[in-house]
Amino acid sequence: DIQMTQSPASLSASLGETVTIECRASEDIYNGLAWYQQKPGKSPQLLIYNANSLHTGVPSRFSGSGSGTQYSLKINSLQSEDVASYFCQQYYNYPTFGGGTKLELK
Amino acid sequence: QVTLKESGPGILQPSQTLSLTCTFSGFSLSTYGMGVGWIRQPSGKGLEWLANIWWDDDKYYNPSLKNRLTISKDTSNNQAFLKITNVDTADTATYYCARIGSILRVYLPNWFAYWGQGTLVTVSS
Repeated sequence: DIQMTQSPASLSASLGETVTIECRASEDIYNGLAWYQQKPGKSPQLLIYNANSLHTGVPSRFSGSGSGTQYSLKINSLQSEDVASYFCQQYYNYPTFGGGTKLELK
Repeated sequence: QVTLKESGPGILQPSQTLSLTCTFSGFSLSTYGMGVGWIRQPSGKGLEWLANIWWDDDKYYNPSLKNRLTISKDTSNNQAFLKITNVDTADTATYYCARIGSILRVYLPNWFAYWGQGTLVTVSS
């Protein structure tokens, strides 16, 4: 199976700051990558698919990039409602998820 | 509007069979290319994909759990089901059902565009 390694496991950032979360695959996943946001006690919500396509209704301050084995999620101008955990998921092979990144406000 | 809702037993004992139901609306599992998956998440931990079922009843399982899983559907009632046999405490988790993201990726692994609220399942003696 394809292993997904996310970093950092947690981070603290200030309102208005730009935040970047990384995801590394154990082999090339050819842009078969999605990002999800999960708020406490809630289900995951899709943000990005195909590495860089924004899901319907997701604010444009979220963006995805990358290729091969390295991918990233960027949040511009951090808002209080962005406090959540973020997960990456590859779907080049049977789906596997990264361990998650917990984002808190500084 | 796409919605999904999971239901399950809440608590069950080790060695029993877990039966989960996903009731959905806003799409049909008779649509070409459509699929529904099950994903679980132990409390405070990461996500693990379990299985997908497609519009034509094709099924796709996580290889590490395949011999314990059975996914099925009732298209006319907009439901999908998952059974897990011989459960133990390691199966304690919140179980989610989700609709796949793209009907163009027929039979291929997919992202999950819409998720249910999840149902907590506890395995305890």
